[in-house]
Amino acid sequence: GEDVEQSLFLSVREGDSSVINCTYTDSSSTYLYWYKQEPGAGLQLLTYIFSNMDMKQDQRLTVLLNKKDKHLSLRIADTQTGDSAIYFCAESKTGANNLFFGTGTRLTVIP
Amino acid sequence: NAGVTQTPKFRILKIGQSMTLQCTQDMNHNYMYWYRQDPGMGLKLIYYSVGAGITDKGEVPNGYNVSRSTTEDFPLRLELAAPSQTSVYFCASSSERGYFNEQFFGPGTRLTVL
Repeated sequence: GEDVEQSLFLSVREGDSSVINCTYTDSSSTYLYWYKQEPGAGLQLLTYIFSNMDMKQDQRLTVLLNKKDKHLSLRIADTQTGDSAIYFCAESKTGANNLFFGTGTRLTVIP
Repeated sequence: NAGVTQTPKFRILKIGQSMTLQCTQDMNHNYMYWYRQDPGMGLKLIYYSVGAGITDKGEVPNGYNVSRSTTEDFPLRLELAAPSQTSVYFCASSSERGYFNEQFFGPGTRLTVL
C-alpha cells in the first residue's frame, strides 16, 4: 500500500475553513510538508513541520501533527477561491534522498 | 531566476518512439529529481541525481534513462515509448539533502503515448 494516504476530494464554501488530512506509516519521518499544485503548474511548497512539533501556524494555515496516530492535517481558515488546487502531503525520511508524496487532495472552493 | 524549466510542455508519441524530456535549473542545486504523476496516484520518483555525473534509480525507473553532465541539466530519456508511460512528468531540484528537503518543481510535461 501507499506510504502516505489522503482523501482525493474536498469541497468547501468560500469563507469556511478547510481541513485536509493525511496519514503516513513511517515513524522515521523527519519533516512533513504540504505542497500546493495549481492547475497546469508544478508543485510549490506551502508549509512544513518538523516531526518533533505538534502544531505550526502561518497566517491562514495551521498544520497539526499527531505523531502517535501518524496523522497530519492542514487547516485553511477563511478559504478563498484562489485556494482551489490539489494539496499534497509529503514526508522526508532518514536515509532517503527524495520525498514521499501522498495521492493529493483536490480542494474545490464554491463561491 | 527562472527556477526549474521543462520542455516540451506537451507531447504525443507513438508506441516505440523515443524522446528526451529536458530539465534545467538555474539555482545551482546539487540534487535533481524526475517524478511522474498519474491520476489518483500521487508522485512517483523515477530517477534522481545528487550531483553532476551521479544518478540513481527511484521507485519506477523501468523504461527510462537519465544523465547528469552538468549541474544545471538533468534530461530524462524514453527509448521505446509505451502507453503505460502516458503521464505528467515533473522535474524538481533541491539545494541539499539534509533532513529538510524543499524541492522546487518545474511546470511539468504532459506526455501521451498512443
